[in-house]
Amino acid sequence: NAGVTQTPKFQVLKTGQSMTLQCAQDMNHNSMYWYRQDPGMGLRLIYYSASEGTTDKGEVPNGYNVSRLNKREFSLRLESAAPSQTSVYFCASSEVQTRVTGELFFGEGSRLTVL
Amino acid sequence: AQSVTQLGSHVSVSEGALVLLRCNYSSSVPPYLFWYVQYPNQGLQLLLKYTTGATLVKGINGFEAEFKKSETSFHLTKPSAHMSDAAEYFCAVRYSGGYQKVTFGIGTKLQVIP
Repeated sequence: NAGVTQTPKFQVLKTGQSMTLQCAQDMNHNSMYWYRQDPGMGLRLIYYSASEGTTDKGEVPNGYNVSRLNKREFSLRLESAAPSQTSVYFCASSEVQTRVTGELFFGEGSRLTVL
Repeated sequence: AQSVTQLGSHVSVSEGALVLLRCNYSSSVPPYLFWYVQYPNQGLQLLLKYTTGATLVKGINGFEAEFKKSETSFHLTKPSAHMSDAAEYFCAVRYSGGYQKVTFGIGTKLQVIP
């Protein structure tokens, strides 16, 4: 089982360049998330999609956009990359309903460096 | 707003010693609680979770955690540390009832000394 798949795993950008991180899950989950992980700050939620067709801002949405392409796929776009966006990005999915615990299933991460 | 506090961003233990990683949460309603583990250069994987019922929860790799409502705590323990336990551990909370986001603590890096 693939679970949650993210691409690319590594990327180096110059300031001002744009790129899209791709994420796909094969667990038929309704909800998908993008987090960034920075040293000493844990995981911070960038955007999430509670269900197909909806997206909402998390804690740190500035500088990012997302698209929930279909139930399987949730992409994160950096329109004009900045050095502050150097981070490790994780996509996750979960099944979130009443009486369902909604634990997250994570991809392996995408390490982004902005020069 | 929900929040999670992990005491100690770095913890060192000797191989064979007790592992204790602390987690406290803020809550006004019963939460779902999770511990995740992240090995170097990997994603996070679920170690264990508390939903309802038994307050002592057993997870993978010999870890367990106890939900204490009166202390709003969910500390992670393992009786005897192994070198392979060296990783970063994250406590997380989600509140029950409809759709709610998962909030993570800042993480605790566990070092195991031979």
